[in-house]
Amino acid sequence: GQSLEQPSEVTAVEGAIVQINCTYQTSGFYGLSWYQQHDGGAPTFLSYNGLDGLEETGRFSSFLSRSDSYGYLLLQELQMKDSASYFCAVRDNQGGKLIFGQGTELSVKP
Amino acid sequence: NAGVTQTPKFQVLKTGQSMTLQCAQDMNHNSMYWYRQDPGMGLRLIYYSASEGTTDKGEVPNGYNVSRLNKREFSLRLESAAPSQTSVYFCASSAAGGLGEQYFGPGTRLTVT
Repeated sequence: GQSLEQPSEVTAVEGAIVQINCTYQTSGFYGLSWYQQHDGGAPTFLSYNGLDGLEETGRFSSFLSRSDSYGYLLLQELQMKDSASYFCAVRDNQGGKLIFGQGTELSVKP
Repeated sequence: NAGVTQTPKFQVLKTGQSMTLQCAQDMNHNSMYWYRQDPGMGLRLIYYSASEGTTDKGEVPNGYNVSRLNKREFSLRLESAAPSQTSVYFCASSAAGGLGEQYFGPGTRLTVT
């Protein structure tokens, strides 16, 4: 079967660093994406890793290890506005079809 | 540039009623998708269209039909709504291949009583 595992909740304080892990088991693998969703809103794309290694975009970085079927999203200098749900998603074929994890709810405290 | 638009934003149906959710994108994307999201859950793919003229089932297609009307528009139809279809429905689009980047509409909040 196809499955993605990520923690359901993470809490951190403003200014800290937090890492959200994602492990996957899928029939095909072409890349790992991360999405952010604020309460009641639409998911928005954060990053994509097609190859092993680290991708950095401002305060956010994403890492992939295909041999370990594992990736993570790293959020630095946390701000209150980063409180949201974060989803990892596997691109499982050459098209754009994604399989989403169940999401990690991040709470940033003052 | 409106991106991805969806109508309606909210809808309440009685069991057995039918309705069509509309989605349009103005980014000239080839691929379009319909997801449902239940409380505390991730997004589950209902149907997708890799390109104009093609549609394929996703993870949870039962009870739904789709039409890729043209490159811009992709509709989702519930023929006989059931309470289990109460959910938030998101439409998304991506360029061909997409590299994992999809653009989502604002969602339709559907309640079936």
